[in-house]
Amino acid sequence: DSGVTQTPKHLITATGQRVTLRCSPRSGDLSVYWYQQSLDQGLQFLIQYYNGEERAKGNILERFSAQQFPDLHSELNLSSLELGDSALYFCASSGSPYEQYFGPGTRLTVT
Amino acid sequence: ELKVEQNPLFLSMQEGKNYTIYCNYSTTSDRLYWYRQDPGKSLESLFVLLSNGAVKQEGRLMASLDTKARLSTLHITAAVHDLSATYFCAVAPRFGNEKLTFGTGTRLTIIP
Repeated sequence: DSGVTQTPKHLITATGQRVTLRCSPRSGDLSVYWYQQSLDQGLQFLIQYYNGEERAKGNILERFSAQQFPDLHSELNLSSLELGDSALYFCASSGSPYEQYFGPGTRLTVT
Repeated sequence: ELKVEQNPLFLSMQEGKNYTIYCNYSTTSDRLYWYRQDPGKSLESLFVLLSNGAVKQEGRLMASLDTKARLSTLHITAAVHDLSATYFCAVAPRFGNEKLTFGTGTRLTIIP
């Protein structure tokens, strides 16, 4: 158990809908990262927040957005969902540049 | 753009044998990571390699880093069934940038 929690574990929704994925980092970790894992794209970095501020951006679609709240939990919002958005979404947290601890993931299925 | 290549993509080996997974990356990097992923599960951190010549070992797994060749290896010694999983290497380009770029992964199957 990495200490990073993600909810929900599974999410099934229809095309065009909007969902919110939630992540609670390890106690004391200020950085939160979001990754997407799909069969065709592999593991891709989406976005990083550090202490509430956006720090780095990767291949994140404009339909996706994220934020980190004062209590350091983070949410990833996915809107106008398409079939191709079906994937495992991981959150990771770190307290140093040397480690990233991954949460259990949220499996999103868009039908 | 940083690219990370792993090979092989699939590896089926018998228990007791040794094998090596290779990870090449395209630009200078400060940190290289190895992760393990079981089917449908999260990523478990195995090693973090920070400098040229770094070698780390845990049980039957040993990882090394050659920053000049931009190459890392994950060596499996006397494989056992419990090591069956997908192994990923990931690279962070430089300090101050913690975005990880992952390799394609190597699916390792250990046959009794």
